Amino acid sequence: LAKTTQPISMDSYEGQEVNITCSHNNIATNDYITWYQQFPSQGPRFIIQGYKTKVTNEVASLFIPADRKSSTLSLPRVSLSDTAVYYCLVGEVGDYKLSFGAGTTVTVRA
Amino acid sequence: DAGITQSPRHKVTETGTPVTLRCHQTENHRYMYWYRQDPGHGLRLIHYSYGVKDTDKGEVSDGYSVSRSKTEDFLLTLESATSSQTSVYFCAISPGQGPDGYTFGSGTRLTVV
Repeated sequence: LAKTTQPISMDSYEGQEVNITCSHNNIATNDYITWYQQFPSQGPRFIIQGYKTKVTNEVASLFIPADRKSSTLSLPRVSLSDTAVYYCLVGEVGDYKLSFGAGTTVTVRA
Repeated sequence: DAGITQSPRHKVTETGTPVTLRCHQTENHRYMYWYRQDPGHGLRLIHYSYGVKDTDKGEVSDGYSVSRSKTEDFLLTLESATSSQTSVYFCAISPGQGPDGYTFGSGTRLTVV
Protein backbone atom coordinates (compact mmCIF):
# COMPACT_ATOMS: atom_id res chain seq x y z
CA LEU A 1 0.00 0.00 0.00
CA ALA A 2 1.30 3.44 -0.88
CA LYS A 3 2.49 5.59 1.99
CA THR A 4 0.83 8.96 2.48
CA THR A 5 2.08 12.17 4.07
CA GLN A 6 -0.23 14.93 5.27
CA PRO A 7 0.13 17.85 7.67
CA ILE A 8 -0.36 17.10 11.34
CA SER A 9 -2.66 20.04 11.98
CA MET A 10 -4.32 23.06 10.40
CA ASP A 11 -6.21 25.98 11.89
CA SER A 12 -8.95 27.94 10.18
CA TYR A 13 -11.85 30.29 10.85
CA GLU A 14 -15.51 29.92 10.12
CA GLY A 15 -16.44 30.71 6.54
CA GLN A 16 -12.97 30.06 5.13
CA GLU A 17 -11.99 27.34 2.69
CA VAL A 18 -9.68 24.66 4.05
CA ASN A 19 -7.37 22.74 1.74
CA ILE A 20 -5.50 19.68 2.99
CA THR A 21 -2.81 18.28 0.72
CA CYS A 22 -1.77 14.65 0.90
CA SER A 23 1.40 13.34 -0.76
CA HIS A 24 1.47 9.81 -2.13
CA ASN A 25 4.51 9.59 -4.38
CA ASN A 26 4.36 5.80 -4.72
CA ILE A 27 0.73 5.56 -5.74
CA ALA A 28 0.04 2.58 -7.99
CA THR A 29 -1.99 2.54 -11.19
CA ASN A 30 -4.95 0.80 -9.58
CA ASP A 31 -4.98 2.87 -6.40
CA TYR A 32 -7.79 5.19 -5.43
CA ILE A 33 -7.45 8.14 -3.07
CA THR A 34 -9.87 8.06 -0.19
CA TRP A 35 -10.55 10.47 2.66
CA TYR A 36 -12.16 9.82 6.00
CA GLN A 37 -13.34 12.30 8.60
CA GLN A 38 -13.36 11.69 12.35
CA PHE A 39 -15.25 13.92 14.74
CA PRO A 40 -14.29 13.97 18.42
CA SER A 41 -15.49 10.89 20.31
CA GLN A 42 -16.62 9.14 17.13
CA GLY A 43 -15.16 6.65 14.70
CA PRO A 44 -13.97 7.80 11.27
CA ARG A 45 -16.46 8.00 8.44
CA PHE A 46 -15.94 7.96 4.67
CA ILE A 47 -16.32 11.34 2.98
CA ILE A 48 -14.90 11.16 -0.54
CA GLN A 49 -12.94 9.05 -2.98
CA GLY A 50 -11.39 9.76 -6.36
CA TYR A 51 -9.05 8.39 -9.01
CA LYS A 52 -8.12 11.44 -11.06
CA THR A 53 -9.12 15.05 -11.80
CA LYS A 54 -11.87 16.32 -9.52
CA VAL A 55 -14.63 14.80 -7.44
CA THR A 56 -17.22 16.79 -5.55
CA ASN A 57 -19.97 15.82 -3.16
CA GLU A 58 -22.04 17.55 -0.51
CA VAL A 59 -19.21 17.45 2.02
CA ALA A 60 -16.01 18.20 0.11
CA SER A 61 -14.12 18.33 -3.15
CA LEU A 62 -11.11 16.26 -4.04
CA PHE A 63 -8.56 17.53 -6.53
CA ILE A 64 -6.09 15.09 -8.07
CA PRO A 65 -3.42 16.29 -10.53
CA ALA A 66 -2.50 14.32 -13.60
CA ASP A 67 0.54 12.65 -12.03
CA ARG A 68 -1.59 11.56 -9.04
CA LYS A 69 1.37 11.94 -6.68
CA SER A 70 -0.64 14.19 -4.43
CA SER A 71 -4.23 15.14 -3.78
CA THR A 72 -6.02 18.02 -2.10
CA LEU A 73 -9.15 17.77 -0.02
CA SER A 74 -11.07 21.03 -0.08
CA LEU A 75 -13.66 21.93 2.55
CA PRO A 76 -15.61 24.99 1.41
CA ARG A 77 -16.79 27.61 3.92
CA VAL A 78 -16.04 25.62 7.04
CA SER A 79 -18.03 25.88 10.22
CA LEU A 80 -17.19 24.95 13.80
CA SER A 81 -18.71 21.53 13.17
CA ASP A 82 -16.02 20.75 10.59
CA THR A 83 -13.46 20.50 13.38
CA ALA A 84 -12.23 16.95 12.98
CA VAL A 85 -9.33 14.73 12.00
CA TYR A 86 -9.07 14.04 8.27
CA TYR A 87 -7.33 10.91 7.02
CA CYS A 88 -5.92 10.38 3.54
CA LEU A 89 -5.66 6.78 2.37
CA VAL A 90 -4.44 5.21 -0.84
CA GLY A 91 -5.50 1.76 -1.93
CA GLU A 92 -7.18 -0.22 -4.64
CA VAL A 93 -10.49 -1.97 -4.98
CA GLY A 94 -10.07 -5.22 -3.13
CA ASP A 95 -7.74 -3.81 -0.47
CA TYR A 96 -9.10 -4.92 2.86
CA LYS A 97 -6.43 -3.83 5.32
CA LEU A 98 -5.91 -0.10 5.49
CA SER A 99 -3.50 2.05 7.43
CA PHE A 100 -5.02 5.28 8.68
CA GLY A 101 -1.99 7.03 10.10
CA ALA A 102 -2.26 10.12 12.27
CA GLY A 103 -4.34 12.23 9.91
CA THR A 104 -4.67 16.02 9.86
CA THR A 105 -6.38 17.70 12.78
CA VAL A 106 -8.41 20.63 11.47
CA THR A 107 -9.53 23.13 14.07
CA VAL A 108 -12.09 25.71 13.05
CA ARG A 109 -12.40 28.79 15.24
CA ALA A 110 -15.17 31.35 15.47
CA ASP B 1 -22.98 3.89 13.36
CA ALA B 2 -25.89 1.89 12.15
CA GLY B 3 -25.05 -1.78 11.74
CA ILE B 4 -22.12 -1.90 14.12
CA THR B 5 -22.05 -1.67 17.88
CA GLN B 6 -19.26 -1.89 20.41
CA SER B 7 -19.55 -2.86 24.04
CA PRO B 8 -18.81 -1.67 26.57
CA ARG B 9 -18.46 2.02 25.69
CA HIS B 10 -16.31 2.71 28.71
CA LYS B 11 -14.35 0.46 31.01
CA VAL B 12 -11.90 0.89 33.85
CA THR B 13 -9.91 -2.16 34.83
CA GLU B 14 -6.92 -3.01 36.96
CA THR B 15 -3.49 -3.97 35.72
CA GLY B 16 -3.16 -7.70 35.24
CA THR B 17 -6.84 -8.47 34.74
CA PRO B 18 -8.25 -9.90 31.52
CA VAL B 19 -10.56 -7.71 29.46
CA THR B 20 -12.78 -8.54 26.50
CA LEU B 21 -14.27 -5.99 24.14
CA ARG B 22 -17.08 -6.94 21.82
CA CYS B 23 -17.92 -5.79 18.33
CA HIS B 24 -21.24 -6.76 16.80
CA GLN B 25 -22.37 -6.13 13.23
CA THR B 26 -25.64 -6.62 11.42
CA GLU B 27 -24.29 -5.91 7.91
CA ASN B 28 -23.00 -9.43 7.20
CA HIS B 29 -19.64 -7.96 6.14
CA ARG B 30 -16.78 -10.37 5.68
CA TYR B 31 -14.04 -8.21 7.18
CA MET B 32 -13.83 -6.94 10.75
CA TYR B 33 -11.04 -4.98 12.38
CA TRP B 34 -9.84 -3.74 15.73
CA TYR B 35 -7.91 -0.48 15.91
CA ARG B 36 -6.56 1.48 18.81
CA GLN B 37 -6.24 5.24 18.80
CA ASP B 38 -3.73 7.13 20.88
CA PRO B 39 -2.67 10.77 20.75
CA GLY B 40 0.04 11.30 18.16
CA HIS B 41 -0.33 7.82 16.68
CA GLY B 42 -3.63 7.96 14.89
CA LEU B 43 -5.40 4.69 14.26
CA ARG B 44 -3.28 1.57 14.45
CA LEU B 45 -4.50 -1.86 13.40
CA ILE B 46 -4.40 -4.50 16.15
CA HIS B 47 -6.01 -7.54 14.53
CA TYR B 48 -8.42 -8.22 11.73
CA SER B 49 -10.64 -11.00 10.54
CA TYR B 50 -11.42 -12.07 6.99
CA GLY B 51 -14.01 -14.66 7.90
CA VAL B 52 -15.31 -16.89 10.68
CA LYS B 53 -12.34 -18.30 12.56
CA ASP B 54 -9.97 -16.51 10.15
CA THR B 55 -7.92 -13.81 11.82
CA ASP B 56 -4.53 -12.19 11.39
CA LYS B 57 -2.27 -9.76 13.17
CA GLY B 58 -2.00 -6.07 12.54
CA GLU B 59 0.84 -3.72 13.35
CA VAL B 60 0.33 -3.61 17.16
CA SER B 61 -0.91 -7.08 18.07
CA ASP B 62 1.34 -7.88 21.06
CA GLY B 63 -0.73 -8.38 24.21
CA TYR B 64 -3.98 -8.84 22.30
CA SER B 65 -5.90 -11.81 20.99
CA VAL B 66 -9.10 -12.02 18.96
CA SER B 67 -11.79 -14.50 18.14
CA ARG B 68 -14.55 -14.67 15.59
CA SER B 69 -16.88 -17.62 16.01
CA LYS B 70 -19.79 -15.99 14.16
CA THR B 71 -19.92 -13.60 11.23
CA GLU B 72 -21.49 -10.89 13.36
CA ASP B 73 -19.19 -10.91 16.38
CA PHE B 74 -15.50 -10.05 16.72
CA LEU B 75 -14.00 -10.14 20.20
CA LEU B 76 -10.80 -8.45 21.33
CA THR B 77 -9.17 -9.80 24.48
CA LEU B 78 -6.43 -8.28 26.55
CA GLU B 79 -5.10 -11.32 28.37
CA SER B 80 -3.45 -9.33 31.14
CA ALA B 81 -4.13 -5.62 30.85
CA THR B 82 -1.28 -3.15 31.21
CA SER B 83 -1.31 0.63 31.55
CA SER B 84 0.12 0.94 28.02
CA GLN B 85 -3.13 -0.54 26.74
CA THR B 86 -5.11 2.42 28.01
CA SER B 87 -6.59 3.70 24.78
CA VAL B 88 -9.69 4.16 22.70
CA TYR B 89 -10.51 1.01 20.75
CA PHE B 90 -12.45 1.12 17.52
CA CYS B 91 -14.01 -1.74 15.67
CA ALA B 92 -14.60 -1.46 11.94
CA ILE B 93 -16.32 -3.55 9.32
CA SER B 94 -15.87 -3.73 5.58
CA PRO B 95 -17.26 -5.75 2.70
CA GLY B 96 -13.69 -5.84 1.37
CA GLN B 97 -14.46 -4.04 -1.85
CA GLY B 98 -12.14 -1.12 -1.45
CA PRO B 99 -10.92 1.72 0.74
CA ASP B 100 -14.27 3.52 0.78
CA GLY B 101 -16.21 0.77 2.45
CA TYR B 102 -15.15 1.00 6.07
CA THR B 103 -17.76 1.59 8.76
CA PHE B 104 -16.53 2.27 12.27
CA GLY B 105 -18.15 1.75 15.62
CA SER B 106 -18.37 4.48 18.24
CA GLY B 107 -15.38 3.24 20.18
CA THR B 108 -14.59 1.84 23.62
CA ARG B 109 -12.60 3.95 26.02
CA LEU B 110 -10.49 1.60 28.13
CA THR B 111 -8.54 2.77 31.14
CA VAL B 112 -6.11 0.42 32.86
CA VAL B 113 -5.17 1.56 36.36
